[in-house]
Formats: sequence, C-alpha cells, structure tokens
Amino acid sequence: QQQVKQSPQSLIVQKGGIPIINCAYENTAFDYFPWYQQFPGKGPALLIAIRPDVSEKKEGRFTISFNKSAKQFSLHIMDSQPGDSATYFCAASMMFSGGYNKLIFGAGTRLAVHP
Amino acid sequence: DAGVIQSPRHEVTEMGQEVTLRCKPISGHDYLFWYRQTMMRGLELLIYFNNNVPIDDSGMPEDRFSAKMPNASFSTLKIQPSEPRDSAVYFCASSSRIRDRAYNEQFFGPGTRLTVL
Repeated sequence: QQQVKQSPQSLIVQKGGIPIINCAYENTAFDYFPWYQQFPGKGPALLIAIRPDVSEKKEGRFTISFNKSAKQFSLHIMDSQPGDSATYFCAASMMFSGGYNKLIFGAGTRLAVHP
Repeated sequence: DAGVIQSPRHEVTEMGQEVTLRCKPISGHDYLFWYRQTMMRGLELLIYFNNNVPIDDSGMPEDRFSAKMPNASFSTLKIQPSEPRDSAVYFCASSSRIRDRAYNEQFFGPGTRLTVL
C-alpha cells in the first residue's frame, strides 16, 4: 500500500511534443502529490505538486492531472524542450504530526527531448 | 543560502573500509533526511532527524549503517564496514516545518556517489 507505480521507465520525444508520465497509488492516506525533476549529477528538485481535492494544476508548461477515484495522476509537459531532458519522479506524501512529510517516490522516468 | 551541501561528491573505497558522508542542511531547517538512490531500488529513505534527534531509522539497511546529527548544521552517515552492494548515490535533504501548510518541500543536496570496490 506504500508503493507508487510510475510509467514509462523511459521516454523519447521530439522538441515540441507532449510527453506524459503516469503514476498510480493505493494508499488513500496520501494527501499531497509532488513531482521532482532530477538532472544528471544533481539532486531531485520539486517541480510541481497537487492536492487530491484538485483535478488539475498548471505551472508554466507543466501540468498535473489528478484522478482521485482511479488513484492515478500524471505529468504533462507542453511544448517540450531539450532542456527538459531529465529524470522525473512522482511521489506521494502523507503528513505526520510535527509537520513531517513522508515521501514515497515512484521509480522515475528518464525523459529525452530531441531537437 | 547555498542550499544543502554534501561532501564528498564522489567516494571510491575498498570493501571493508569505513565510509563517512557529510551533510550541511539549509540554515533554519529542522528536518534532515538521508536517502539512497540505486537503479534497482530507486530513491529510498534511510533515516530522518527532527531537531537533531533521529525519529525514524527503519530504512537503514543494516547495523553497518549509522547516522548522527550532533548539531543543527551538520549530519553524518557512516558505513562500517562498507560492501560493494552499498554502491549508490546518497542524498541528504532538509525541510522546514511550516504550520498549516499541506506540504513542506524537501530540498535535496547534490548527492555523494559512493563506489565500493
């Protein structure tokens, strides 16, 4: 119940394409769903996040779609650029007393955007 | 702020040797996390501290692993003795509790790539 399943494992698109990364979870106690972006040689960095009471969130070219009943959420990257080439991790978070968020990460999707 | 600082960035050692990884969290953050990243297991939480106190070390793989946080600005993760299967990238992350906020972002350091021969 603690797992977050992410697909695909890798993705190649042409510049301007719209890559879509999908994630699914089981535990309904999760209350926040962040996406992290990781470039080679760097640590993951928060990209965008959504609460389960919202069906969609946009920040620039990045959009999260959330389906609470299906326990699925996805990341869409509009007008993808070569600079978006990175590994993307979805995660699910639950808040514990004291303000601690336990993050459960998906396995990651390696995205390559070709010029 | 310089962000989370980790050292060394790369460590190559031989099996059986002691390895110490170091982390300086973002000033003012009261949570510190150690993660391990491998191709097989992805990102795994090893241990986390709150106000320098270890709260949950259930992710620490074996007794060979230990972590300390002697003060708010420094933490170490030690492996003794090291084994080839410990080869991974180890990340330190920190966050700050913000009351009434649904999600307190974790800020990751650049990681230490450990290779045990």
